[in-house]
Amino acid sequence: EDKVVQSPLSLVVHEGDTVTLNCSYEVTNFRSLLWYKQEKKAPTFLFMLTSSGIEKKSGRLSSILDKKELSSILNITATQTGDSAIYLCAVINDYKLSFGAGTTVTVRA
Amino acid sequence: DTAVSQTPKYLVTQMGNDKSIKCEQNLGHDTMYWYKQDSKKFLKIMFSYNNKELIINETVPNRFSPKSPDKAHLNLHINSLELGDSAVYFCASSQGGQGGYTFGSGTRLTVV
Repeated sequence: EDKVVQSPLSLVVHEGDTVTLNCSYEVTNFRSLLWYKQEKKAPTFLFMLTSSGIEKKSGRLSSILDKKELSSILNITATQTGDSAIYLCAVINDYKLSFGAGTTVTVRA
Repeated sequence: DTAVSQTPKYLVTQMGNDKSIKCEQNLGHDTMYWYKQDSKKFLKIMFSYNNKELIINETVPNRFSPKSPDKAHLNLHINSLELGDSAVYFCASSQGGQGGYTFGSGTRLTVV
C-alpha cells in the first residue's frame, strides 16, 4: 500500500523562527511530490518536485526532494502568523495524488 | 473565474437521505477526482475519472456513485447517508494525472 508520512504532526513556533517539515514516501511508480498549504478551505499549491536535489523557492518557502532517501523537506524562514496552516505533502503515482496526514504549523506573534 | 467549483458549499441532511454534490472545472483538464477529508484533516482519494472514464475507485462503499457527463464535470451522488459520511468533500482536477492538481473549495457535509 502507498504510504506518505509527514513529521512532525504539529508544531508551534514564534514569529521569525525557521521551520522544517519532513515528508517521506513509499509508493509504486513515483512521478512527483507536491506540497500544499491548507488554511480554511481548499489546499493551495506550493511546489511540485520531480527531480532530486533541485531546490524550489518561493519567497520565504523552499523545498527539495531526495529520491534516494524517498523524502522531501519544506522550509519556511522568518515565519509570520500568516504561515499558520496545515502543510500537506502528496505524491503522484498512477493517476492519483496520495496525501500524508499533514503538519499543523502554528506561528505565535 | 473559479477554476474548480463545487456546489453546494454546505450540506446538512438526515441519515438515510440521498444527496448529490456537483463539480465543474474550466481548466480544460482531462482528469477529475473526489477526495474526502475527515475530522483529522486526512485527505483520501475516493474516485478518479480520466476523459469521463472511471480509473480509480478506492474501496468506497457503493452508496457513493460518481458520474461524469463530460470532461468538465464530475458529480458525486450518495445514497442512504450515514453519520460517518460527515466530512469535507473536495473535487480536484489535473491534466493527465501527472501534476498541477487544482482543488475546489470543498463541500462540508453534515449528516444528523
